[in-house]
Amino acid sequence: KAGVTQTPRYLIKTRGQQVTLSCSPISGHRSVSWYQQTPGQGLQFLFEYFSETQRNKGNFPGRFSGRQFSNSRSEMNVSTLELGDSALYLCASSPGGPFSGNTIYFGEGSWLTVV
Amino acid sequence: AQTVTQSQPEMSVQEAETVTLSCTYDTSESNYYLFWYKQPPSRQMILVIRQEAYKQQNATENRFSVNFQKAAKSFSLKISDSQLGDTAMYFCAFTYQGAQKLVFGQGTRLTINP
Repeated sequence: KAGVTQTPRYLIKTRGQQVTLSCSPISGHRSVSWYQQTPGQGLQFLFEYFSETQRNKGNFPGRFSGRQFSNSRSEMNVSTLELGDSALYLCASSPGGPFSGNTIYFGEGSWLTVV
Repeated sequence: AQTVTQSQPEMSVQEAETVTLSCTYDTSESNYYLFWYKQPPSRQMILVIRQEAYKQQNATENRFSVNFQKAAKSFSLKISDSQLGDTAMYFCAFTYQGAQKLVFGQGTRLTINP
């Protein structure tokens, strides 16, 4: 069974550009969450989707958005990139969501560097 | 607000020793889960152990066990017979009913020395 797959793994963008990151959850998993990891702020929750509906959103500006497709694959988009957006973006999937009692599986992350 | 605090930024022990990582959390919720995740240099987060708040019995997974003190809001991880492969960042995390998210501590960098 394939794990959580994130693409691209590494990317470099210029300030002001936008970026789209993709996450394919484990087959059968309907919940996808996104987290940002930085040395200064640690791991912070971005948003969670379940069956194409955003159920929760973290405290990030509107430049950060996401969506989930009918096949549970998810994308997150960051517009007007800032230097501070440089981070590891982690995607996680589970059958029912973080509180469902199911194990939450993480992908290897997408490393974003903004220059 | 829900918070998770890991007071040990770094720890280092010799192989085969036992090590305990500390975690405290703050919540007014009564229904929640606690987790320990391991993040090796590959950066993939791997679940080590999980504890349901309503269970009084401490969770155990092979060499990993927790000491869950609900009244004190403490959730420490004990690693017995530590191995070189245990070297990683360890994160304590928490979720509660309706949250649909994990709240993470700042992490403890654990190094197992040969």
